[in-house]
Amino acid sequence: GAVVSQHPSRVICKSGTSVKIECRSLDFQATTMFWYRQFPKQSLMLMATSNEGSKATYEQGVEKDKFLINHASLTLSTLTVTSAHPEDSSFYICSARGGGWIVDTQYFGPGTRLTVL
Amino acid sequence: AQKVTQAQTEISVVEKEDVTLDCVYETRDTTYYLFWYKQPPSGELVFLIRRNSFDEQNEISGRYSWNFQKSTSSFNFTITASQVVDSAVYFCALSEAESGGSNYKLTFGKGTLLTVNP
Repeated sequence: GAVVSQHPSRVICKSGTSVKIECRSLDFQATTMFWYRQFPKQSLMLMATSNEGSKATYEQGVEKDKFLINHASLTLSTLTVTSAHPEDSSFYICSARGGGWIVDTQYFGPGTRLTVL
Repeated sequence: AQKVTQAQTEISVVEKEDVTLDCVYETRDTTYYLFWYKQPPSGELVFLIRRNSFDEQNEISGRYSWNFQKSTSSFNFTITASQVVDSAVYFCALSEAESGGSNYKLTFGKGTLLTVNP
């Protein structure tokens, strides 16, 4: 139980294009989803928190117009990197937490490696 | 503010050795949760354990064991008889409880890279 998927796992795009990353909770309803960014050999940096049906809450220093987050349903959240530039290249990971016995635990997706040329 | 310190950046052991990964945390909350996650080279974070602040019982799961000591604000992780497949980055993390609308945001340590050599 508590499986989270992410798609795509890897994406390469040209500078200036937008990229959408999907995060799905497969076997539970995700009350809250989180988006992280991880640079090589570093820890995870929380970008934003989203609750279903409401606007995402962004961490300080994260541009909300650059990283658009939509949490349209209890099983799906999307992160869109708009007008991507090489400095946006990174490993993006989502996590989800649900209710009941898993309410206090975040389960992570497999991550998406974004390379912007 | 919350803080998690994993002082060991990298550890290298030989297979079958026991290894302990240290984690020290800081929080002003009386109710909180502690976690360990494993990140193998594939990148996915694998949940290993959650411990709440009211439960100081140590836990054992196969070759893994955890020692939670509130008196020293530590939540250490021991792997017994390590195997090559244990090679990964291990993250310790801390979250507040839901009160205050924190949504259980996680504060991560910087991680410890464990390499188990054959």
